Amino acid sequence: EVQLVESGGGLVQPGGSLRLSCAASGFTFSSYDMHWVRQAIGKGLEWVSTIGTAGDTYYSDSVKGRFTISRENAKNSLYLQMNSLRAGDTAVYYCARVHYADLHWYLDLWGRGTLVTVSS
Amino acid sequence: DFQMTQSPSSLSASVGDRVTITCRASQSIGRYLNWYQQKPGTAPKLLIYVASSLQSGVPSRFSGSGSGTDFSLTISSLQPEDFATYYCQQSYTNPMYTFGQGTKLEIK
Repeated sequence: EVQLVESGGGLVQPGGSLRLSCAASGFTFSSYDMHWVRQAIGKGLEWVSTIGTAGDTYYSDSVKGRFTISRENAKNSLYLQMNSLRAGDTAVYYCARVHYADLHWYLDLWGRGTLVTVSS
Repeated sequence: DFQMTQSPSSLSASVGDRVTITCRASQSIGRYLNWYQQKPGTAPKLLIYVASSLQSGVPSRFSGSGSGTDFSLTISSLQPEDFATYYCQQSYTNPMYTFGQGTKLEIK
């Protein structure tokens, strides 16, 4: 089955760290750019970070310098290392696959998400 | 920075109604515009890509149009399962994306 499954969320204190994982199955993981998108409870979707097939990385201004995206193709896994966490980082974090065709890109496969709560 | 502005933010409609949601980009994005549907407690689901192409498995009552800065998502005849929140998303600045703030479609 083609799917993405996130894990690693939980409760962390402000200033703390957390590492999210996303396990991919049913497709050739190494061939796809991958994204992290987050959603605060009751709010809209916010792009967080992207990693390309060549390992190139991109971050939103809100997480740059604090979060690190990485991938391990041999394990079909995507990661998000989150440091210096703030209350504003509290959200459900989704991993998503990018479909590329004819010079266009869209997110065609999403995981169910993992909840990160930053609170003392 | 790119901004994507959806209108309305919320909408009440009845089963069988025709509804249209609009999305405006702060700069021209060609047809680099995608639409997603999200139901409570679930992940977003791709509906429309490249402004007007229907994702496989999505009912034909959904359609998209537009280019440049102005886009729309239309549901021709609302069904009970269509009540959800809809998001537009630009991929013109790939690999960095921007989502609209969402439009919540509720039952009247």
